[in-house]
Amino acid sequence: GAGVSQSPSNKVTEKGKDVELRCDPISGHTALYWYRQSLGQGLEFLIYFQGNSAPDKSGLPSDRFSAERTGGSVSTLTIQRTQQEDSAVYLCASREPVNSPLHFGNGTRLTVT
Amino acid sequence: GENVEQHPSTLSVQEGDSAVIKCTYSDSASNYFPWYKQELGKRPQLIIDIRSNVGEKKDQRIAVTLNKTAKHFSLHITETQPEDSAVYFCAASGFLGNEKLTFGTGTRLTIIP
Repeated sequence: GAGVSQSPSNKVTEKGKDVELRCDPISGHTALYWYRQSLGQGLEFLIYFQGNSAPDKSGLPSDRFSAERTGGSVSTLTIQRTQQEDSAVYLCASREPVNSPLHFGNGTRLTVT
Repeated sequence: GENVEQHPSTLSVQEGDSAVIKCTYSDSASNYFPWYKQELGKRPQLIIDIRSNVGEKKDQRIAVTLNKTAKHFSLHITETQPEDSAVYFCAASGFLGNEKLTFGTGTRLTIIP
């Protein structure tokens, strides 16, 4: 079946501009996660949505970052006033509501110039 | 919150030899421990996982062991092959499986032909 879909796959933006990254999880997966991976680095947790519960935003690095999940499905990660240090691959993942593995999308590679 | 430490950060082994990667976690409530493999430029993909009700799980050349008392778990790859070269991440999450999945910092495994 269809996996986690992310768009765009690549995004180049100028410093100071806002960007929106989209994630379409696997149908039926109630849990959705955003991670950030800088070049050669590990997976940095950003935010986590579970059903209708309030999201866990504890990983968002600053108030320039926000995310929403509409209708319990598609999620959008927004970065305002982008900085060069925001350059990274942003990975979205979803999972079923019980102990189960995360399924990752292919990520969005963001480059801030 | 959960903290996962992973060692070593890099590992080189001769083809055919075994590789072992170790992780420790801090939250005694964690009950689900997956391992992900990330090849260069690709998304992380699950290779094996273990739940707290078992101490060991094996899948062909890959095995994972879990010691809940000591709060550590390990990945064992036997008869290593060049295609095993990748970055490996361990992770831990809470009992209900609805919790944030916390990743280790990754191990870059290189198989020397």
